Amino acid sequence: EVQLVESGGGLVQPGRSLRLSCIGSGFTFGDYAMSWVRQAPGKGLKWVGFIRSEPYGGTTEYAASVKGRFTISRDDSKSIAYLQMSSLKTEDTAVYYCVTGPYGMDVWGQGTTVTVSS
Amino acid sequence: QSVLTQPPSASGTPGQRVTISCSGSSSNIESNTVNWYQHLPGTAPKLLIYRNNQRPSGVPDRFSGSRSGTSASLAISGLQSEDEADYYCASWDDSLNNWVFGGGTKLTVL
Repeated sequence: EVQLVESGGGLVQPGRSLRLSCIGSGFTFGDYAMSWVRQAPGKGLKWVGFIRSEPYGGTTEYAASVKGRFTISRDDSKSIAYLQMSSLKTEDTAVYYCVTGPYGMDVWGQGTTVTVSS
Repeated sequence: QSVLTQPPSASGTPGQRVTISCSGSSSNIESNTVNWYQHLPGTAPKLLIYRNNQRPSGVPDRFSGSRSGTSASLAISGLQSEDEADYYCASWDDSLNNWVFGGGTKLTVL
């Protein structure tokens, strides 16, 4: 069974950092791009960014709202993707999902909640 | 403000057919394929349609997608109470180098 499991969420103060992890299983992790998508309370889904697979350069793209503050990386040997979040703002409060698949964003994890508050 | 535009709400009675629209531009829907997702609160979003009109295995054929120019639509026929959820369209945007989502449509089964 294809599965993604996120972890690392929690309560963090504004300006601080947090790293989320996403472990994949049931598929060849290194074959696909890994995206992060978030949903703020009462709001819709918003794409955060992604990292391409190594055959496509392993490069990253980010939404304008997080560019320069968030960094996505991957360790294909461990089937893990990371979302390093720094200079966190209250508006980064959301459920964060990791997403992957042959069609770009097919398989979703259950999400991990990040709350940015003093 | 979402790059892709969806109606905030839609509704229908059991057995009816409803459609949800998704309006974009030449840099996203017209140039790239569209995915549709169903999202129930507290759960992971589920892929309903990929590549404009393809259904993953396990998705009932009551769900269908289409694309024309800069717009796409999701149709649900034989509406059931379990279809009550939020629905999102998504596409890659060549100008932004981003995936973009619609704002979501809340479907109510009356």
